[in-house]
Amino acid sequence: GNSVTQMEGPVTLSEEAFLTINCTYTATGYPSLFWYVQYPGEGLQLLLKATKADDKGSNKGFEATYRKETTSFHLEKGSVQVSDSAVYFCALSDKAMGYQKVTFGTGTKLQVIP
Amino acid sequence: NAGVMQNPRHLVRRRGQEARLRCSPVKGHSHVYWYRQLPEEGLKFMVYLQKENIIDESGMPKERFSAEFPKEGPSILRIQQVVRGDSAAYFCASSLKKDGQDTQYFGPGTRLTVL
Repeated sequence: GNSVTQMEGPVTLSEEAFLTINCTYTATGYPSLFWYVQYPGEGLQLLLKATKADDKGSNKGFEATYRKETTSFHLEKGSVQVSDSAVYFCALSDKAMGYQKVTFGTGTKLQVIP
Repeated sequence: NAGVMQNPRHLVRRRGQEARLRCSPVKGHSHVYWYRQLPEEGLKFMVYLQKENIIDESGMPKERFSAEFPKEGPSILRIQQVVRGDSAAYFCASSLKKDGQDTQYFGPGTRLTVL
């Protein structure tokens, strides 16, 4: 079955540091890949997505590239802010299903300190 | 332009009681998904519904859990005879289209606590 593995947290960084959160996946076929962010007490918000190999998703300074050869979709940001503190979820949607049945990773908590 | 609405936001039940969780999708969306998030875990798919139809309930426990999305009104996730292990955050999402190219919009969740 499909699965998503992402690095365990928490990740603690100083403001303006470089961020990488690793994510690898296992899926049959060619899934769409997503990063969602969850702020405390809130639901998930879509941060970025990529629907095919070599696509780069980007939003709010975050970016991730769909790497089919390494089955990875690592999240990066060049300079984090305190407001980026949240839990980040890597996820995939198997297009072969014909509908969105999203499989999530366990989440990585990011804490950015001033 | 309202997003996905869920209520209640917090629900406390005693063991053996029933829990009813409501989800109003984004206006115009006819595809609804329910997910459960256990403490310190990611979200797990439970069920996918279109108006008046359950399409995929493979992630939903076969006993005590049921879901519906009537022609009129919100989608309802119902848990009968709750147990402590049902304590979790339940998220609803909706989409305009069903295919993998579309975006799911998530609600704020209902946090169920079973005493």
